Amino acid sequence: AQSVAQPEDQVNVAEGNPLTVKCTYSVSGNPYLFWYVQYPNRGLQFLLKYITGDNLVKGSYGFEAEFNKSQTSFHLKKPSALVSDSALYFCAVSSTSGNTGKLIFGQGTTLQVKP
Amino acid sequence: DVKVTQSSRYLVKRTGEKVFLECVQDMDHENMFWYRQDPGLGLRLIYFSYDVKMKEKGDIPEGYSVSREKKERFSLILESASTNQTSMYLCASRSGLAGDRRTYEQYFGPGTRLTVT
Repeated sequence: AQSVAQPEDQVNVAEGNPLTVKCTYSVSGNPYLFWYVQYPNRGLQFLLKYITGDNLVKGSYGFEAEFNKSQTSFHLKKPSALVSDSALYFCAVSSTSGNTGKLIFGQGTTLQVKP
Repeated sequence: DVKVTQSSRYLVKRTGEKVFLECVQDMDHENMFWYRQDPGLGLRLIYFSYDVKMKEKGDIPEGYSVSREKKERFSLILESASTNQTSMYLCASRSGLAGDRRTYEQYFGPGTRLTVT
């Protein structure tokens, strides 16, 4: 079965420190991976995606993610966290069953950045 | 910028009522989606439409139906609302005409928080 796991319900970091939000996936075939962010009472906003090529993907708001095929991971990173980065983060993978391209989401990780 | 709008931010309905949630996108996207979001469960796909009048069941379609009469509009219908349908409902759209649609990102609306009492 295809799945995405975000092992941490919450990640706490101090402002200015680097942050990592973890994601692992399980799909057959080539994975197409996405990160989204959700601010309170808002919809999801696209941050970045990995389709092919360079394992380090850069996205919006200074975020980047590292694709690791051997570890089936796609961790989200930022060198220096801001208080405004506090939000709910979702990792997702495109289903490889058929061609609907539906997204399979992880359960989400709340990032709390403290001043 | 892609804009996806949903008809209501907050909605309170009674058990047994028929509920309509509307979603409109302005980017001429072929594909549209309805998800529900519940704490600890992430987002789960209810229905998907890949073109006008075309629909496909997602992972949790029971108790829901959809309608897509125009390309820009995708409606979610709760035929008889129940308390276990209290949730946040998110609509999304995606380009899907050319290439591998699995590589395109989805664009989400702000969500409708539905409470069924």
